[in-house]
Amino acid sequence: GAVVSQHPSWVICKSGTSVKIECRSLDFQATTMFWYRQFPKQSLMLMATSNEGSKATYEQGVEKDKFLINHASLTLSTLTVTSAHPEDSSFYICSTDLGQAADTQYFGPGTRLTVL
Amino acid sequence: EDQVTQSPEALRLQEGESSSLNCSYTVSGLRGLFWYRQDPGKGPEFLFTLYSAGEEKEKERLKATLTKKESFLHITAPKPEDSATYLCAVRSTGGGNKLTFGTGTQLKVEL
Repeated sequence: GAVVSQHPSWVICKSGTSVKIECRSLDFQATTMFWYRQFPKQSLMLMATSNEGSKATYEQGVEKDKFLINHASLTLSTLTVTSAHPEDSSFYICSTDLGQAADTQYFGPGTRLTVL
Repeated sequence: EDQVTQSPEALRLQEGESSSLNCSYTVSGLRGLFWYRQDPGKGPEFLFTLYSAGEEKEKERLKATLTKKESFLHITAPKPEDSATYLCAVRSTGGGNKLTFGTGTQLKVEL
């Protein structure tokens, strides 16, 4: 069954507005969650690693102030795209390693963001 | 820097026509190689994890193998429901939790 859920599954917003995407772990506590972005016909790119109770670690080239990550509980991480612009339109996917420090990551169903 | 290259980009098979997908990788030290299946508009679905050269894993019509430079995903007697994009990713010993993905092979199985 599903390990991770995301909400919403899709969202359309106007340019300049902020959008929040939720990632929830189901039936387990996720110390670490990962946020990826996937553009059409391209591979998944890691944006940041979210750690419960501490600041997220961002990959090179990802703007911390634009993509705000909060991991306030062991079952919820949120990604807020601030002042969204059309170039932020993408498929955002979260994942977790089940909190076992294992190697395999399990992905959520993704959120399609379209910025008009 | 870790690199993953998948080939072919797209593959069209007839139902029952077996084939293989290739994933070539370059890492400083391999911590794990992963295969995922991704359907349109969905998140990747985990298939296999391979750790060392010579390792093989099977699941239904799929079999993954690993060498020191590449991995193959063999599809035996595929069915239309196997149509999807198959993604390969690596995790290196020096890369922390980061997965580096290839761009995938888009497989279409026709009746």
